[in-house]
Amino acid sequence: DGGITQSPKYLFRKEGQNVTLSCEQNLNHDAMYWYRQDPGQGLRLIYYSQIVNDFQKGDIAEGYSVSREKKESFPLTVTSAQKNPTAFYLCASSPRRLAGGWETQYFGPGTRLLVL
Amino acid sequence: DAKTTQPNSMESNEEEPVHLPCNHSTISGTDYIHWYRQLPSQGPEYVIHGLTSNVNNRMASLAIAEDRKSSTLILHRATLRDAAVYYCILSQPPGGSYIPTFGRGTSLIVHP
Repeated sequence: DGGITQSPKYLFRKEGQNVTLSCEQNLNHDAMYWYRQDPGQGLRLIYYSQIVNDFQKGDIAEGYSVSREKKESFPLTVTSAQKNPTAFYLCASSPRRLAGGWETQYFGPGTRLLVL
Repeated sequence: DAKTTQPNSMESNEEEPVHLPCNHSTISGTDYIHWYRQLPSQGPEYVIHGLTSNVNNRMASLAIAEDRKSSTLILHRATLRDAAVYYCILSQPPGGSYIPTFGRGTSLIVHP
């Protein structure tokens, strides 16, 4: 089946530790996105990538880093600089650069990150 | 950015129709209206989208006001599985590059 997978489902981070969240898609989509969701809130954009080897900061990029070495993969690293990382992290993809109009996003199941 | 306004929450009984409103008074002529929903502890999923005409698919119907300043997502017979947060989103005009903004949406509670 085609889709987006995120792993792990739950992740625990110790103080001062970097952790990496995985996002893989086999939909042959060009664009990929990372969002953060806090309880009872909407989604906030962290980073997005419209093409391999290129990515752009979203609204809350501080304390996060990404890479896009392959079309299928867009891992997110939560660094020790992110002081409040506890949240639900969602990865999404879309067929091409969202240039407005009818294109839609496809979301993964999410990773819940907890700080010990 | 074109913004949308939705009620924080709505309630319905199972098997009854549900009308979820969305106001978008600053919509431009080329903005599409998209609806997504997010089940508990899952990622959002696409529901429906439209530009000017009303739209139907297997999940829902989308009714768009004639002046396009508001729209309504219609679930014809609510089930317990429809309990979710529903997001109304506008695209931006073609030609640029935009990222959808997901606000708080409307939390739909369905009573058995």
